[in-house]
Amino acid sequence: DIQMTQSPASLSASIGDRVAITCRASQSVDIHLNWYRLKPGEAPRLLIFSTSGLQYGVPSRFSGSGSGTDFILTISSLQPEDFATYYCQQGSRIPFTFGPGTKVEI
Amino acid sequence: EVHLVESGGNLVQPGGSLRLSCAASGFIFNSHSMNWVRQAPGKGLDWISFISSSGETVHYADSVKGRFTISRDNDNNSVFLQMNSLRVDDTAVYYCARDLGADTTFDYWGPGTLVTVSS
Repeated sequence: DIQMTQSPASLSASIGDRVAITCRASQSVDIHLNWYRLKPGEAPRLLIFSTSGLQYGVPSRFSGSGSGTDFILTISSLQPEDFATYYCQQGSRIPFTFGPGTKVEI
Repeated sequence: EVHLVESGGNLVQPGGSLRLSCAASGFIFNSHSMNWVRQAPGKGLDWISFISSSGETVHYADSVKGRFTISRDNDNNSVFLQMNSLRVDDTAVYYCARDLGADTTFDYWGPGTLVTVSS
């Protein structure tokens, strides 16, 4: 199985801050890397697909980069609704594994 | 608008069974693969099963293989998860998620249904 790791596990930030979350795969997933935001009591929301594709309706402050084994999700200017937990997920090989999550807190 | 709604979650004893349903609307259901993903209390997201648009291809995580069965009814825009031999560590919120189509990307999710396995 492809193991996914994320760093940091949590971070504290303020409104307007630029935030970067790193995701690493145990083997290459090419560009098949997606990012989700999960808030308590809500359905997960796809933010970025295939490393850098912005999902329809997602604000442009979200961006993704990377390839192979190392990926980054960047939020250019943190908004109140962005305080949540973020997960990366590889879609390259079964089982489709997620990272352990990064909690973004005030 | 894409809409997914899960149902069927409940409290069940270890060794018991449950059948989850996911009703889909707002898109051409038989054009999309579907998945089930779960989140145990205090834990992260965990993919557990995939079914192709036709239903001919299915995949499972090792943790549920042989106990869970995914199926779909394209005439009624629904996907199901039959869960047998339930264990305490199956306790989780279960989400159905639509597959975007290229690699396995979960582009729309339902709000989830809670399954609690406890004696």
